Amino acid sequence: DTAVSQTPKYLVTQMGNDKSIKCEQNLGHDTMYWYKQDSKKFLKIMFSYNNKELIINETVPNRFSPKSPDKAHLNLHINSLELGDSAVYFCASSQHGLVASYEQYFGPGTRLTVT
Amino acid sequence: QQQVKQSPQSLIVQKGGISIINCAYENTAFDYFPWYQQFPGKGPALLIAIRPDVSEKKEGRFTISFNKSAKQFSLHIMDSQPGDSATYFCAAMKTSYDKVIFGPGTSLSVIP
Repeated sequence: DTAVSQTPKYLVTQMGNDKSIKCEQNLGHDTMYWYKQDSKKFLKIMFSYNNKELIINETVPNRFSPKSPDKAHLNLHINSLELGDSAVYFCASSQHGLVASYEQYFGPGTRLTVT
Repeated sequence: QQQVKQSPQSLIVQKGGISIINCAYENTAFDYFPWYQQFPGKGPALLIAIRPDVSEKKEGRFTISFNKSAKQFSLHIMDSQPGDSATYFCAAMKTSYDKVIFGPGTSLSVIP
């Protein structure tokens, strides 16, 4: 059973296109995240959602819009893709609330290449 | 501004040796310090974590040493194995805010 899954695993697209990445977790966690890992492997948080509510929104261009239809899903939509958006995007989840565990479970990543 | 610094950037260790990765942080409000391990093509996975009220935590071959006054912590991998070859990230977070700040990572290669 995959705990945190992402689709697609690879995404190659041209500049100016709009694309989406989907994420699902079956751990029953209440908090989900999107991270960007650049070519130097630097990991930076983009967004976090707790029970479908946006909690963290880092200085990310507003071309990036997360959507959480329920607490098990957090999708990332990117408009007008640019070359600099090329990276690996990771979804993650963790449990907060009354019984908190700060461990974050990461998905396998989506490698986005913008040409 | 890099809130969590990590060194070295890369490390080559012989099988059976000790791998040591060092990290330093600036924000004294951080209260949870995890280490994540990432294999090529995979997402990071939690390896071990420590709270600042503890100076050392050991799990198997992995030990975190924590120096609160110096705002430094380190990961020691004893009896390093080729299967330990991966990228290691130290991190810090303020649990009330739930935002993890990752260090830039250390690429570890354990050679036979």
